[in-house]
Amino acid sequence: EAQVTQNPRYLITVTGKKLTVTCSQNMNHEYMSWYRQDPGLGLRQIYYSMNVEVTDKGDVPEGYKVSRKEKRNFPLILESPSPNQTSLYFCASSLGLAGKSEQFFGPGTRLTVL
Amino acid sequence: GNSVTQMEGPVTLSEEAFLTINCTYTATGYPSLFWYVQYPGEGLQLLLKATKADDKGSNKGFEATYRKETTSFHLEKGSVQVSDSAVYFCALNRDDKIIFGKGTRLHILP
Repeated sequence: EAQVTQNPRYLITVTGKKLTVTCSQNMNHEYMSWYRQDPGLGLRQIYYSMNVEVTDKGDVPEGYKVSRKEKRNFPLILESPSPNQTSLYFCASSLGLAGKSEQFFGPGTRLTVL
Repeated sequence: GNSVTQMEGPVTLSEEAFLTINCTYTATGYPSLFWYVQYPGEGLQLLLKATKADDKGSNKGFEATYRKETTSFHLEKGSVQVSDSAVYFCALNRDDKIIFGKGTRLHILP
């Protein structure tokens, strides 16, 4: 089944404790991105990647890192999480550029930083 | 800059009612326009899209027409069902990214 998977689905952590949220797609998509969803703000893009070893900042990249060592994986890293990073996070992938191809979203990761 | 404005929710309707969710945009050039839907507990999925002026996107009984003169892309459905309860996002593309509206939550009562 074609899908985007994220792990973990739920995470509660404390300020400053490094964490990684994994994202993997099995559709051989070139383009992957991370979004955060907050009430009243909708979805905002954090980082995106157009291919292996190519990543770029989205609209809200502060406090996040990403890597794209393999085509299928695009982990999101929070080196020192803070409470304002409490949010619902979505990974997405598409065959081509996000504006020109349908994006497929993962099920989401709900993160709480205490 | 490019942006999307959609009506605030929640929108509550009875089953079989007519639905309109308004969406307007500002953009340079001629963006593609999208509606994505997020069912409870799930990620977003593409509902429909239109790539040029006067195009009509349609899917699952939903329709939206790309209106350049009014910079709008309103979502409509003639007869909603309880299963249509979800959050709906209007979006446009900017360069190689997508810009989403804030979302409109829809509740359909049986």
